[in-house]
Formats: sequence, C-alpha cells, structure tokens
Amino acid sequence: EMHLVESGGGLVKPGGSLRLSCAASGFTFSSYVMTWVRQAPGKGLDWVSSITSSGSYIYYAGSVKGRFTISRDNTKNSVHLQMDSLRAEDTAVYYCARIGPGGDYYYYMDVWGKGTTVTVSS
Amino acid sequence: EIVLTQSPGTLSLSPGERATLSCRASQSVSSRFLAWYQQKPGQAPRLLIYGASSRATGIPDRFSGIGSGTDFTLTISRLEPEDFAVYYCQQYGSSPITFGQGTRLEIK
Repeated sequence: EMHLVESGGGLVKPGGSLRLSCAASGFTFSSYVMTWVRQAPGKGLDWVSSITSSGSYIYYAGSVKGRFTISRDNTKNSVHLQMDSLRAEDTAVYYCARIGPGGDYYYYMDVWGKGTTVTVSS
Repeated sequence: EIVLTQSPGTLSLSPGERATLSCRASQSVSSRFLAWYQQKPGQAPRLLIYGASSRATGIPDRFSGIGSGTDFTLTISRLEPEDFAVYYCQQYGSSPITFGQGTRLEIK
C-alpha cells in the first residue's frame, strides 16, 4: 500500500525557519514528481512547490518563491521542504502528495499524506 | 492563473438523494485537465476524478464527472452517509495549478 508520512511541523516565530520531511513507501518513489500543498485553517487548498522525479526541475508558487526550498533524496525515498523567513500567512497544514502517473509538475495528485501542521506566531 | 469558482458553497441533502456540484473556470481548461477531491474533517484530500470524468482507483461508480471548457460538474448519484464532506475541484491544464474554494456537502 502506498504511504506518505510528513513530519517536521511545529510552532515557529515570524522570520524563523522549519524543515518539513515526507517519507514515501509502497511505490517506486524515484519515478514520480512530488509536490507540497498547504491548507490554511478553515481555508481551501493551495499548491506550494513541486519537484520532478530526478530533482532536475523545481517549481514554486509565487507566494513562497525565494523563501522555500524543495529537495528530494531518491536513495531515502524522501522529499523535503525547507521553509525560511516564515510569515503568519504561512500557517497551514502542509500536505505531501504524489503527482499522478506521467504527470508534469502541474497535474493531479493521487496519493496524499495526512499532513503536518505549521504555525507561525510570536 | 485560472480561477475556479465552485457552487453552491454549501449543499444540504439527505442520504439517498442526488448531489450535483459545479466548478466554473475563469478561462478554458485545456484537455479537460480537471480533477475532483473529497476531504473529510481532519483528513487529507482524496482524489475522486481526474481528466474531468475518469474515476480514480477504488472510487465507487456513484461518483461521476462531466464537463469541458469552463464548466464542470461532479455528480453523486445516491448519497451515502460517508459522502458528506467538502469537495474541491482542481485544474491542471495550465501553471500554476489552482483549486476551487470548495463545496460543503452536509446532511439535511
């Protein structure tokens, strides 16, 4: 069975940093584009960043570009999101998700983790 | 970017009834690249439909999708108690991907 498990969320002050991780199992991780999607409290879904299967191409939403860095380690079946210069508006549940088979960095997501909560507050 | 507007915001129905949810795009979604997700409280979204009308693995056939261009519809033919949730549409025809604001399907 396919699983994605996020970790690394927590409470951080504005301007601080946090590193999220996502551990994948049950599928050939190195064959898939991976993405992060976030959901602010009581709000809808918001795409954050995607990384291609080899890690060669990386994409960010405008709201996080220059502050967040996505990376992956195909030897450890994991993807990470380094979040710097955090703002109150980054407060959200962050989901790791797999992009559907054959998809580019923008596609549908067919496997989701349960999410990890990030709270940015003084 | 393409803005997706879902209607209604909240839909109140009873088990056994038919639910029709709408998703309208601000510009044409190429190649019918539209997906639907279900999200229950405290849970991650679950993929229901992709390519506007293809059901994801394990999704019951009471869920169906239709549409093209700027207008898309998700229909649940006979509501089961477990279907009451929030539903989101998502377009992936152009970058950046965008989601609708969601339709809450509640028990009447």
